[in-house]
Amino acid sequence: QMYLVQSGAEVRRPGASVKVSCQSSTYNFTANYVHWVRQAPGQGLEWMGRINPNTGVPTYAEKFQDRITLTRDTSINKASMELSRLKSDDAAVYYCATSRHLPGAFEHWGQGTLVAVSS
Amino acid sequence: SYVVTQAPSVSVAPGQTATITCGGNDIGGKSVHWYQQRPGQAPVLVVYDDTDRPSGIPDRFSASNSGNAATLTISRVEDTDEADYYCQLWDPRSDEQVFGGGTKLTVL
Repeated sequence: QMYLVQSGAEVRRPGASVKVSCQSSTYNFTANYVHWVRQAPGQGLEWMGRINPNTGVPTYAEKFQDRITLTRDTSINKASMELSRLKSDDAAVYYCATSRHLPGAFEHWGQGTLVAVSS
Repeated sequence: SYVVTQAPSVSVAPGQTATITCGGNDIGGKSVHWYQQRPGQAPVLVVYDDTDRPSGIPDRFSASNSGNAATLTISRVEDTDEADYYCQLWDPRSDEQVFGGGTKLTVL
């Protein structure tokens, strides 16, 4: 069983940045692709980007290309997602999830992190 | 980028069969995965690689993928199946993962 534990809820002002982390103590989950998916209230799932397990190189969805940074720290089995220049419609639950290979399914998910954006 | 379409809602009586479809251009040529999401919870994988079930997912859940449609079928529907269902695939042209818009399954 792989458990992904995410950091807690955040509140930010418009224009600020937020960093959400995802960590596992039970498995070397960074040997898998680590993806980030968000879900706005009442809306569907939206893929934001992923990190390649072998190279550590991120790939971003075009929509977030200029505002997102994905990183990982293999020494502590942790991945992070930072989103900058927040807008009100960035308010959402942010999930990390893992897949074993690129076309592969997201087998394991974090519990989600609520990010509120409010002035 | 690749577009996947799902009907927003499906309703079915308990014990009946629910069919949820994802449409996309030659989606049969891609590997499609399905997730169940209950309110307030993270998504759970119920079918991967078009037709396979993870351990612990009941065999009431089955799926197929051919041509321009991928289908998730839930047989003998139970109250606990009431949830949102999403299909997902990787589009090699854009190198992005893509989700369908989701289908809300209501058990009458």
